[in-house]
Amino acid sequence: QLQLQESGPGLVKPSETLSLTCTLSGGSFSSHSYYWGWIRQPPGKGLEWIGTGYYTGSTFYNPSLKSRVTISVDTSKNHFSLKLSSVTAADTAVYYCARLIDLGFTYYFDYWGQGTLVTVSS
Amino acid sequence: QTVVTQEPSLSVSPGGTVTLTCGLNSGSVSTIYYPSWYQQTPGQAPRTLIYSTTTRSSGVPDRFSGSILGNKAALTITGAQADDESDYYCVLYIGRGISVFGTGTKVTVL
Repeated sequence: QLQLQESGPGLVKPSETLSLTCTLSGGSFSSHSYYWGWIRQPPGKGLEWIGTGYYTGSTFYNPSLKSRVTISVDTSKNHFSLKLSSVTAADTAVYYCARLIDLGFTYYFDYWGQGTLVTVSS
Repeated sequence: QTVVTQEPSLSVSPGGTVTLTCGLNSGSVSTIYYPSWYQQTPGQAPRTLIYSTTTRSSGVPDRFSGSILGNKAALTITGAQADDESDYYCVLYIGRGISVFGTGTKVTVL
């Protein structure tokens, strides 16, 4: 059974860079059918797509966050990462990693991590 | 900016039917946006319910169904149960690798 697990600091100072890792077990990154994504949810608010990465290095980002986001997939370490720079209190959220299926005729998130809360505060 | 809108809240009686919709500010939603639906209970990660407009994910009860109604994607719960009380989100793929989450609907069963 495929599992995703987020990890990283739960507290980040304003203006610094938020860094999270999502570790994959029970599956492989090296499939042309799967992308690897990050989604966040501020406390009491809705879900927001941050971006997705592909094992070849291709990435796609939310236009509203694009200037601050970097997603990378490390197949040798079986994980993918999120970096969000110049954070503010507005970036406080539960961050989820998820697998995205893209078969050309279907496109959806099928597996999700449990989520990790990141608080931006000095 | 692309905005995907959902009803903020809906209520349904136990055993009743409720339909949630997913609209697009730039036009009509169709199957080419590959609408998918997710259920989220407090403190939990989202759970995939429906993908490609109408396909139920593995293990999802058949009281959940997806469709296109007019110019929106729709999720219908037929024979609602108490544990269907959750937040529901749609996602549309708008191309160029970009996904957009809807604003979410809180469903109350009472």
